[in-house]
Amino acid sequence: GAGVSQSPSNKVTEKGKDVELRCDPISGHTALYWYRQRLGQGLEFLIYFQGNSAPDKSGLPSDRFSAERTGESVSTLTIQRTQQEDSAVYLCASSLVGTEEGNIQYFGAGTRLSVL
Amino acid sequence: DQQVKQNSPSLSVQEGRISILNCDYTNSMFDYFLWYKKYPAEGPTFLISISSIKDKNEDGRFTVFLNKSAKHLSLHIVPSQPGDSAVYFCAARSSGTYKYIFGTGTRLKVLA
Repeated sequence: GAGVSQSPSNKVTEKGKDVELRCDPISGHTALYWYRQRLGQGLEFLIYFQGNSAPDKSGLPSDRFSAERTGESVSTLTIQRTQQEDSAVYLCASSLVGTEEGNIQYFGAGTRLSVL
Repeated sequence: DQQVKQNSPSLSVQEGRISILNCDYTNSMFDYFLWYKKYPAEGPTFLISISSIKDKNEDGRFTVFLNKSAKHLSLHIVPSQPGDSAVYFCAARSSGTYKYIFGTGTRLKVLA
């Protein structure tokens, strides 16, 4: 597609349920990022995938959070046993690492997660 | 520990005047910096970048200045337009990684 696509755009769930958020990066982009933005806060780095390298998971806040990426395509962010504090907008971005252009991350519109 | 700080949560500027958004960082290993603009309900969009080998980069109405000794960068928008009203984030990375650390953002409001 032309840009980074995220689904769903909105997700309302009950505390304790698991949720899966999906990200389709720009075709050909080798790097994929997940961020979280809580209300009134900045972008909080969660995880970074680059090609076949081991992902940088240093930003995942707890073991309830996990993410996978299939090759250089779709990624899913899974949150298990959701808590109200998980309510936020989850943003995905992709970039073409290895070039000057690779410094630019292209973001999706995000998934707004509300945990009741 | 917030490595990238935007100490002004909001800024209001009159249309046609200059907007100056500031960003401070603590990690001396940061060597590449970006500014993003974000409208409500949209993802951030890239605005302008600067490498640590430069102290200025200009693109149309937007100029980014980098002061490495002060670990400070700023974004100047001249002239400011109502359509520039958005949240602006600065981001930084260290050499050898494409993992960026973002600031908390500054909400700019340009008054017509």
